[in-house]
Order: sequence, then structure tokens, then C-alpha cells
Amino acid sequence: AQTVTQSQPEMSVQEAETVTLSCTYDTSESDYYLFWYKQPPSRQMILVIRQEAYKQQNATENRFSVNFQKAAKSFSLKISDSQLGDAAMYFCAYIEGTYKYIFGTGTRLKVLA
Amino acid sequence: ETGVTQTPRHLVMGMTNKKSLKCEQHLGHNAMYWYKQSAKKPLELMFVYSLEERVENNSVPSRFSPECPNSSHLFLHLHTLQPEDSALYLCASSQARGIENYGYTFGSGTRLTVV
Repeated sequence: AQTVTQSQPEMSVQEAETVTLSCTYDTSESDYYLFWYKQPPSRQMILVIRQEAYKQQNATENRFSVNFQKAAKSFSLKISDSQLGDAAMYFCAYIEGTYKYIFGTGTRLKVLA
Repeated sequence: ETGVTQTPRHLVMGMTNKKSLKCEQHLGHNAMYWYKQSAKKPLELMFVYSLEERVENNSVPSRFSPECPNSSHLFLHLHTLQPEDSALYLCASSQARGIENYGYTFGSGTRLTVV
């Protein structure tokens, strides 16, 4: 069965610094999608970034970028110039089939002023 | 908050009560989902509806009963719940386009407490 592992339950970063959140996954598929979602205290999960496995180029969205290593089944999220509003739970997710997402257990990110 | 709206935001119910959670989306998406989020556990997929037909049911106890009357609305009917059912229940929607997948839009969830 596919699994998604986030080995860091909690991370801290100083404001304006860079932090990397790790995610590994297990799959036998060759084409799939990977996502990072952010869940702030408001509870609404927000899509941060999306990566298509058949694209070698790492996805970027403003201050957010990923390091996608397909062979290693690794999908880390880098947040540059961290802001107080980045404090949240971050979930890595892999999609299996059309509808079924597999989520990791999340990493709580604290941003220190 | 835009896109996917969930009500109520909080719910406390006794084990013998019957209540319903409501989810509404006006994004034109063709799939809707119920997820259960418990502390320190991965999100658990409960139900998936695509074009108003249930396409996934992940061995959820019968005390949870979904209903999708149209493509914009999704309900989760609750009856005779157990304290371990206390959790955050998240609704999401997506637009499935063949093999392309652009991710979910989530609601803010209903925090359910069973007493």
C-alpha cells in the first residue's frame, strides 16, 4: 500500500530564514501527483504547491519550492524568507488513482519573531 | 473563507443524538469528499462522491451516513456515535479531469465532540 512519511513532527524557523520540511513516500506507480498543503489555526487546508511526477523540473510558487527526487521517493518543501503567517501544520500528500489522496501525519512549523 | 463552506463549525452531541454536517461548494467541481482528521493521525478518507454517485467508502461504520443530493452539496448524517468519533471532519471538492489532478479545495471543517 502507498504510504507517506513526514519524519519531523515539529520544526522551528527564525523569521526571514529558510526551512525545509521533509516527506518521503512509497509507490510502485510511475505517474502520479504530489502535493503540500498548509493548515493554519483557521483549520482550512490550503494547497501550497503541486508536483507532477513525470516532470523533472521542481515546482515553485513564490517563496515555496520543492526538491523532488523521484528515484529516492522524496518530496521536500523549502520555504524561503519565512514569515509569521507561514506558521501552520504542513501536510504532504500523494494521490492514488483519481480520487484517493494519501496524507502524511503533518509537520507543525513554528516561526519565531 | 471561499469555495467550500462547512456548517456547523463546532458540534457537541450525545451518543444517542442524530445530527448532520453540511458541506457546500460553488466551484463547479465534480467530486466531493469527507475526511476525518484526528490528532497525530493521517487524514482518513471516509467517502467520495463523483457526479453525485458514491465511488469510495472506506469501511466507515454505518453510524456515518453520507448524502449527496446534487453536485454542490454533501451531507454527513450522524447517529449513535461513540466518543472515539470526536474529531475534525473536513469536506473537500475537486475537479477531476482524466489523469490530471489539481488538488483539493477544503472547507474549514466541523469540530465534533461526542459526549
